Amino acid sequence: EAQVTQNPRYLITVTGKKLTVTCSQNMNHEYMSWYRQDPGLGLRQIYYSMNVEVTDKGDVPEGYKVSRKEKRNFPLILESPSPNQTSLYFCASRGQGDPYGYTFGSGTRLTVV
Amino acid sequence: LAKTTQPISMDSYEGQEVNITCSHNNIATNDYITWYQQFPSQGPRFIIQGYKTKVTNEVASLFIPADRKSSTLSLPRVSLSDTAVYYCLVGDVSGGYNKLIFGAGTRLAVHP
Repeated sequence: EAQVTQNPRYLITVTGKKLTVTCSQNMNHEYMSWYRQDPGLGLRQIYYSMNVEVTDKGDVPEGYKVSRKEKRNFPLILESPSPNQTSLYFCASRGQGDPYGYTFGSGTRLTVV
Repeated sequence: LAKTTQPISMDSYEGQEVNITCSHNNIATNDYITWYQQFPSQGPRFIIQGYKTKVTNEVASLFIPADRKSSTLSLPRVSLSDTAVYYCLVGDVSGGYNKLIFGAGTRLAVHP
């Protein structure tokens, strides 16, 4: 089944403890993105990647890092999480030239205390 | 990237047809119109995409007038399970990278 898989689905952590949220897609897609969703603010793009080793900042990149060493994986790294990064995170992917839009993962609900 | 404007919320009843209109006055020549559906705590799901006139699939229809400054998502005979937030986006999907910009969306509530 074609899908975007995020892990974990839920995570509670403490301020300052480094964490990684993984994202993997099995569709050989070139484009991958990370979004966060907060009440009243909607979905905002954090980082995106156009292909392996090609990444760029989205609208709210502060406090996040990403890497794209393999085409299928696009992990989101929080080096020193803070409470304001408590949010619902989504990874998405799309194939180059694919007119049918992005496929989103099921989300990761992160709580930083 | 063209900005979109949609109603904040809509209410309907089971079995009715629901039409959600999106305004995108500054749509560019290469932009497509794409609609996503999102249930609580789930990722947005692609519904339909079009460039002009009418597009229909098993889920919905999309009507786009000749000037393309607006579009209407039509959901036939809605059920309770269609209660969700619907997002209208415009952007170039012809091949290059396109950044999705989600607005507030339209929160549709379907009542028994």
